Amino acid sequence: KAGVTQTPRYLIKTRGQQVTLSCSPISGHRSVSWYQQTPGQGLQFLFEYFSETQRNKGNFPGRFSGRQFSNSRSEMNVSTLELGDSALYLCASRDPGLNEKLFFGSGTQLSVL
Amino acid sequence: DAKTTQPTSMDCAEGRAANLPCNHSTISGNEYVYWYRQIHSQGPQYIIHGLKNNETNEMASLIITEDRKSSTLILPHATLRDTAVYYCIAKNQAGTALIFGKGTTLSVSS
Repeated sequence: KAGVTQTPRYLIKTRGQQVTLSCSPISGHRSVSWYQQTPGQGLQFLFEYFSETQRNKGNFPGRFSGRQFSNSRSEMNVSTLELGDSALYLCASRDPGLNEKLFFGSGTQLSVL
Repeated sequence: DAKTTQPTSMDCAEGRAANLPCNHSTISGNEYVYWYRQIHSQGPQYIIHGLKNNETNEMASLIITEDRKSSTLILPHATLRDTAVYYCIAKNQAGTALIFGKGTTLSVSS
């Protein structure tokens, strides 16, 4: 099986712009979670989608949003980018029947200038 | 609302066993403990998880104390490729997501 695929791998944006990141989960996995990783805060949970519905959400401002499509692929969007949004954004998929065994992609490294 | 505490860093000689401790005294009785690791520039990788009994798989062994207040991840024969940040993880208070914390940076040297 192919692993979790995230695109693009690297992205450079300027303050005020918006960005959309994409994640394709492992085939058959209907749950997709997003995490933000920074050197100072570590890995922080953004949100989880299951069957096109947001199931859980972390403590991030409304500028961070996401969606999931019928094929389980997911996108996350960050609007009005700030310098502090520079981070590695990680997507993980899982089969809900297997507890919390998450399969992560390699992430998208976002730099906001 | 991290529920786990780990040492910041550890060293291990190649070929020796690496024993990584984790304290999780506040997790509930039906809550699993998960271990992941992250090698530089990659996404975290699942290693193992357990509830009460000791667990072993092809990557590692997990020893959980009887009172479930702590656990130890054991890499029986560490290699240079095991150099990574190791996370001992439990769910957040709402039970909705895994909380990763800072983890332990394991350095394996020859």
